[in-house]
Amino acid sequence: ELKVEQNPLFLSMQEGKNYTIYCNYSTTSDRLYWYRQDPGKSLESLFVLLSNGAVKQEGRLMASLDTKARLSTLHITAAVHDLSATYFCAADDSGGGADGLTFGKGTHLIIQP
Amino acid sequence: ETGVTQTPRHLVMGMTNKKSLKCEQHLGHNAMYWYKQSAKKPLELMFVYSLEERVENNSVPSRFSPECPNSSHLFLHLHTLQPEDSALYLCASSHRTGREQYFGPGTRLTVT
Repeated sequence: ELKVEQNPLFLSMQEGKNYTIYCNYSTTSDRLYWYRQDPGKSLESLFVLLSNGAVKQEGRLMASLDTKARLSTLHITAAVHDLSATYFCAADDSGGGADGLTFGKGTHLIIQP
Repeated sequence: ETGVTQTPRHLVMGMTNKKSLKCEQHLGHNAMYWYKQSAKKPLELMFVYSLEERVENNSVPSRFSPECPNSSHLFLHLHTLQPEDSALYLCASSHRTGREQYFGPGTRLTVT
């Protein structure tokens, strides 16, 4: 059974600082996803990481994937208040299969002025 | 309409009521999903449909009954719910199972 663990689950940081959210998964997975959720809203897709060593960047967010370590990271550079949200990582079983994605518990990020 | 839409956006129902949640995707996808998101709990996958056939049911109570009449529409029929069923119900779709999922805005359900 695929399990996905994120840490930290809660993060309060100041604007301008850098930080990293970690996502570990338990079994082989060939795709790793990052989503953002604002309070009371739905999930918005941020990144899809498809292979070992993949790195994607959008603005102040950068995501990477190490399939050998079964680890993905979401790095925040020079945080701004607008990035406050809950961030989820999700993985699927290798080869796709019939299952939906397995999500982590989410990281609740608060960025303070 | 574009993307994934859900109706209603908010629903309050009594424990003896019967209601249905509707999801429609305009992305040409072949797989659709229902998730439950409760406060302080991870997203729980409830049902997966691929090409209109149910492929996964994660031991969801029978008071939740899904229906997928075609690849664009997904329903979740609700009856005799419990207060602990109050949650945000999210619908998602993907090109096929195991691929990037696109989520609808959700239905906030309150069971009184």
